[in-house]
Amino acid sequence: GENVEQHPSTLSVQEGDSAVIKCTYSDSASNYFPWYKQELGKRPQLIIDIRSNVGEKKDQRIAVTLNKTAKHFSLHITETQPEDSAVYFCAATRNQFYFGTGTSLTVIP
Amino acid sequence: GAGVSQSPSNKVTEKGKDVELRCDPISGHTALYWYRQSLGQGLEFLIYFQGNSAPDKSGLPSDRFSAERTGGSVSTLTIQRTQQEDSAVYLCASSLIDWDYTFGSGTRLTVV
Repeated sequence: GENVEQHPSTLSVQEGDSAVIKCTYSDSASNYFPWYKQELGKRPQLIIDIRSNVGEKKDQRIAVTLNKTAKHFSLHITETQPEDSAVYFCAATRNQFYFGTGTSLTVIP
Repeated sequence: GAGVSQSPSNKVTEKGKDVELRCDPISGHTALYWYRQSLGQGLEFLIYFQGNSAPDKSGLPSDRFSAERTGGSVSTLTIQRTQQEDSAVYLCASSLIDWDYTFGSGTRLTVV
């Protein structure tokens, strides 16, 4: 099966700085890579995704990059704001989703 | 309904008792997934239903765990003889196509 590793487990940044979260996966057949944001006590919400035929995707302050050769993908958040504080999960999927262990992001005002 | 509905939202049970967790997916969604999220941990895949196909049960941690999906809609996750390590948030998600994946709010299970 797929094995998804996510780093770092915790990340603190100053408001306005950038945050980068990285994930690696093992199954070269995985073809869809979503990122979820989970605020405390709430359900995970999809924030951005990328498919295996695309190398980069951007949505306002959030971007995701994918390197299929190296089997890794990253979430980039620029100009961070306190409301970006949450746990972020990456996932890789071919059929069911395999999630990373999460990154707790804290944006310090 | 408008989203994926799970019940109960919280469940406290005594060790050794059986529990049933319910998931009502978004109407028309053919795929349904159960995940478990332990405190400070990631989302652990449990089971996946897709239409009328045989479910993928490869993530169920032991034979105390089982799940059904009746009529291609509502799903029930059953945990028999609960143990303290079963304490977690159990999340259900449904999708119409593989990319359209919506989570419910989860059931927080506490085994005392």
